[in-house]
Amino acid sequence: GENVEQHPSTLSVQEGDSAVIKCTYSDSASNYFPWYKQELGKGPQLIIDIRSNVGEKKDQRIAVTLNKTAKHFSLHITETQPEDSAVYFCAASFGGNNRLAFGKGNQVVVIP
Amino acid sequence: DTEVTQTPKHLVMGMTNKKSLKCEQHMGHRAMYWYKQKAKKPPELMFVYSYEKLSINESVPSRFSPECPNSSLLNLHLHALQPEDSALYLCASSQELGPYGYTFGSGTRLTVV
Repeated sequence: GENVEQHPSTLSVQEGDSAVIKCTYSDSASNYFPWYKQELGKGPQLIIDIRSNVGEKKDQRIAVTLNKTAKHFSLHITETQPEDSAVYFCAASFGGNNRLAFGKGNQVVVIP
Repeated sequence: DTEVTQTPKHLVMGMTNKKSLKCEQHMGHRAMYWYKQKAKKPPELMFVYSYEKLSINESVPSRFSPECPNSSLLNLHLHALQPEDSALYLCASSQELGPYGYTFGSGTRLTVV
């Protein structure tokens, strides 16, 4: 099956700075790459996604970049705020029914 | 309505009990999922329903029994669980089975005693 590696596992940033989380995937046929944010006591929330025919996508302070050749994609959060503190999961589709394989998650802590 | 609603939010059950988790969505999504999540781990896929038919069973023990009564509802019936089954159980839905974003519920925190 698909293998999705996510790093670093924990990231602490000063409020206002940028945060970058990187993921690599193994299945070259993967064509859909969502990012989820999970706050304490809540379910994961889709925050942005990208398909394999696009190299970059931006939504306000959040952007995702995809490098198909290298099989990695990254989440960029600019001007971080305390409410950005959460666990972030990357995922990649695989298989004939495009099910999702999740990375292990990244704890982002924004220090006020 | 853009939510997936799960009930109950918390559940404590004994190893001989039978209980059910419920999930509901009214977004017209035709794929629904059950995930299990342990602390500090990613969600693990258990079951997938597509158009009310079971499409994927990730070799889940038979003490977990899913049911999809209609396109808006998904149940997970629990029987004779073990303490190691204690976890957050998440329901999710998507437009169809395929490369689409999932909408997750807030989960049911299950404790087996």
